[in-house]
Amino acid sequence: SAVISQKPSRDICQRGTSLTIQCQVDSQVTMMFWYRQQPGQSLTLIATANQGSEATYESGFVIDKFPISRPNLTFSTLTVSNMSPEDSSIYLCSVEGAGQTNTEAFFGQGTRLTVV
Amino acid sequence: LAKTTQPISMDSYEGQEVNITCSHNNIATNDYITWYQQFPSQGPRFIIQGYKTKVTNEVASLFIPADRKSSTLSLPRVSLSDTAVYYCLVGSYNQGGKLIFGQGTELSVKP
Repeated sequence: SAVISQKPSRDICQRGTSLTIQCQVDSQVTMMFWYRQQPGQSLTLIATANQGSEATYESGFVIDKFPISRPNLTFSTLTVSNMSPEDSSIYLCSVEGAGQTNTEAFFGQGTRLTVV
Repeated sequence: LAKTTQPISMDSYEGQEVNITCSHNNIATNDYITWYQQFPSQGPRFIIQGYKTKVTNEVASLFIPADRKSSTLSLPRVSLSDTAVYYCLVGSYNQGGKLIFGQGTELSVKP
């Protein structure tokens, strides 16, 4: 299994500012994933972060808005840039690890972002 | 990736068995089915995964008919703490760990 810690757990930010979310995993993993969960909605994949290469973004998400860093095999950051109230969501990081199956995903507890 | 369809919500009472069915008509040969549980203010948690027939673990059972166009998550004797959103996902080993979540089923367990 994998234990994932996210910081901060929540934040209230002014529009136009940026917030960087940190994700720390207790074991080395090849890929890390960032998701967004808008209020009352399901999870949507933002991007996949591989160590040593640029992140791969899903349709509708761009690097200028959600820059991602992956400096090593246990850590990643997601920045939400130039925030607007529409960015108010829960942001979660995830890894795929050796749980019950090789494809079991583990999630952090999420970062609840409110933009005012 | 196959699209999944689940009931938006379900109600149950403590001690009952709950069955949540998921439709995935376009499931591919190599796809497997996974269920996750999400409590408020937490990330999703893996429950069970299967490819065909029946899989059982300490938490739930997963029933998959021969045509694999649907699957049913069975939770035996639910308690209040089983109140959560349950997601059915269909994926393949070559999608690199990316998960595509559907709308999920909000299960409410009442006393």
